[in-house]
Amino acid sequence: EAGVTQFPSHSVIEKGQTVTLRCDPISGHDNLYWYRRVMGKEIKFLLHFVKESKQDESGMPNNRFLAERTGGTYSTLKVQPAELEDSGVYFCASSPYGRTNTEAFFGQGTRLTVV
Amino acid sequence: AQSVTQLDSQVPVFEEAPVELRCNYSSSVSVYLFWYVQYPNQGLQLLLKYLSGSTLVESINGFEAEFNKSQTSFHLRKPSVHISDTAEYFCAVRGLTGGGNKLTFGTGTQLKVEL
Repeated sequence: EAGVTQFPSHSVIEKGQTVTLRCDPISGHDNLYWYRRVMGKEIKFLLHFVKESKQDESGMPNNRFLAERTGGTYSTLKVQPAELEDSGVYFCASSPYGRTNTEAFFGQGTRLTVV
Repeated sequence: AQSVTQLDSQVPVFEEAPVELRCNYSSSVSVYLFWYVQYPNQGLQLLLKYLSGSTLVESINGFEAEFNKSQTSFHLRKPSVHISDTAEYFCAVRGLTGGGNKLTFGTGTQLKVEL
């Protein structure tokens, strides 16, 4: 069974440009999460989808970030326009819905560098 | 709301020596506790978890952690480390009620095993 897949693994963009990150969760996992780690700091929650609906987006930094999950399968996280402070590693995770006693499975992350 | 404190950002240790990585948490509700590990150039992997029952939990590669409710701690230990244990270790909590399924992470501890 394939794990959580994230694309691209690395992205270097200039300030002001747009970048779109993609996450393919484990098949059948209705919960999908985005997290971010800014260098040297903790991994912070960004938002949570249940299928295609945003359950919790309290961690989204500002309106330059837009997350979508059309059809309840893969998800995209778009940053437009990117700023220097957006640099970091963006993790996606998924888990089955309705099973609170299970862990979230993480992807390898996308390392975003804004220059 | 929850918070997690990992006081040690880096822990150097010689191979075959014991190690303890400290984790303390704060929460107004009961929590599930997790340790995730990130090996070089890889994604986050679950190392072990405490959900309920025995307060001592073990991983398949010799790590163990003990949930101490009175001290609000979940320290990670291994009696004899191997060079392959070099990685970054993250402690995380998730509230049993409220807050959805999102994880709150500590800042991570870099374990460096030396020969």
